[in-house]
Amino acid sequence: KAGVTQTPRYLIKTRGQQVTLSCSPISGHRSVSWYQQTPGQGLQFLFEYFSETQRNKGNFPGRFSGRQFSNSRSEMNVSTLELGDSALYLCASSLFEGGGEQYFGPGTRLTVT
Amino acid sequence: QQQVKQSPQSLIVQKGGIPIINCAYENTAFDYFPWYQQFPGKGPALLIAIRPDVSEKKEGRFTISFNKSAKQFSLHIMDSQPGDSATYFCAASKSGTASKLTFGTGTRLQVTL
Repeated sequence: KAGVTQTPRYLIKTRGQQVTLSCSPISGHRSVSWYQQTPGQGLQFLFEYFSETQRNKGNFPGRFSGRQFSNSRSEMNVSTLELGDSALYLCASSLFEGGGEQYFGPGTRLTVT
Repeated sequence: QQQVKQSPQSLIVQKGGIPIINCAYENTAFDYFPWYQQFPGKGPALLIAIRPDVSEKKEGRFTISFNKSAKQFSLHIMDSQPGDSATYFCAASKSGTASKLTFGTGTRLQVTL
C-alpha cells in the first residue's frame, strides 16, 4: 500500500505571495491532518479534515487554510506569506476522524524569501 | 504553554546500549501517547503508541513505560543500533481529537559503534 504523498517536495516563494500544498492520504484513510515543523517551534498542529469538513484547528492565523476533496485528498493554502512561514509542512493521514494512528508524508519544504 | 515536555534534547549511546527518552504531560485529558522516529529529510514515522490503561507496551526493540499518576511516559530502545540514530518525538492527544497531536520538542539520538 502506498504511503502518504505530498507535492511539491520543495518550494521557494517570496514574501506576500500565496502557496498551495497538496496531500494524498493512504488509500482508505479518510482523515487528513496538517502540521508545521520548524526548528524553533517544533511540530505544531494546523488542522484536521474529515469528510471534506474541518474538524479540528490549531492556533494559527487565518492566512492558513485548507480543504479536503471527496477522494480524501487535501490541500492547504497559505496566503500573504511571511518569512516566518518557512517550514516543513507535513501531512498525516488516519483511518478515522480523530483516529489514533497517524501516518506522515515526507513533507513539503517551504522557503519564503 | 508547552503541554508535553521531552528530555533529554540529545543523547549519545554506544551500540547495544539502551537509550531512554522521557516525556511529561500536563493535560490529564490526554489518553493517547505515540512515539515517532524521524530521519533527516523524512516525515515522522509512528514507532509505538500506548493508552493509559496499560503501564508498559513492547514492540520489537521498542518499549514504552507509562506512569499515569506521575503523568510521565518514556521510550526505551533495547540493543540500540547505529541505524536507530534519528530524532525521536513523543506526542499526546485526547479521545475525539486524537489527530490533534501535541508533540514534545524531540530528542536527537546518536548510536555509535
